[in-house]
Amino acid sequence: NAGVTQTPKFQVLKTGQSMTLQCAQDMNHNSMYWYRQDPGMGLRLIYYSASEGTTDKGEVPNGYNVSRLNKREFSLRLESAAPSQTSVYFCASSGQFSGRGGNEQFFGPGTRLTVL
Amino acid sequence: RKEVEQDPGPFNVPEGATVAFNCTYSNSASQSFFWYRQDCRKEPKLLMSVYSSGNEDGRFTAQLNRASQYISLLIRDSKLSDSATYLCVVNPSNTGKLIFGQGTTLQVKP
Repeated sequence: NAGVTQTPKFQVLKTGQSMTLQCAQDMNHNSMYWYRQDPGMGLRLIYYSASEGTTDKGEVPNGYNVSRLNKREFSLRLESAAPSQTSVYFCASSGQFSGRGGNEQFFGPGTRLTVL
Repeated sequence: RKEVEQDPGPFNVPEGATVAFNCTYSNSASQSFFWYRQDCRKEPKLLMSVYSSGNEDGRFTAQLNRASQYISLLIRDSKLSDSATYLCVVNPSNTGKLIFGQGTTLQVKP
């Protein structure tokens, strides 16, 4: 099992360009997430998908769109990249929530994005 | 006030030392709590969940104090390989929307 995979690993964009970050998981998880991580800020949730066919905004959704293509894949799109979107982006997935309120989230290796 | 607050450190300790990290959270209704470990330029990975009764996994002990709204992580007999950033994570609403602290960096020196 590969777990959670992300492509690309690195990307440099110019302001105004668009791109899509791809994420896939092979653990048959229902829920998937996109986070960004900036120095001193911790991980912040951009969007999440509790199950196939549903998506919801997280803490910092502005400037992003998502697509839950199927149970395995959850993509993040930047329509018009801005320097403020320079960050490390992590995708994660988790199984059905347990009675304790949330199962372990498994993370992909991240995409390092620089917007010039 | 941040929802989850941690001292960023760094904590510099010698091998074999005992070190403790605390984390405070603002939402008293929070349901579940975790410690994740993140190595430099890598993805976060679950270290341990934190239960009301406290729990131990080898050299690691996690405790929860709901009255004071803080969780702690104790590492005994520190190893060089323990050097990493430790993320305090809170699930405030019984969903998958986890709230991450900014992390505490630990450097274990020979």
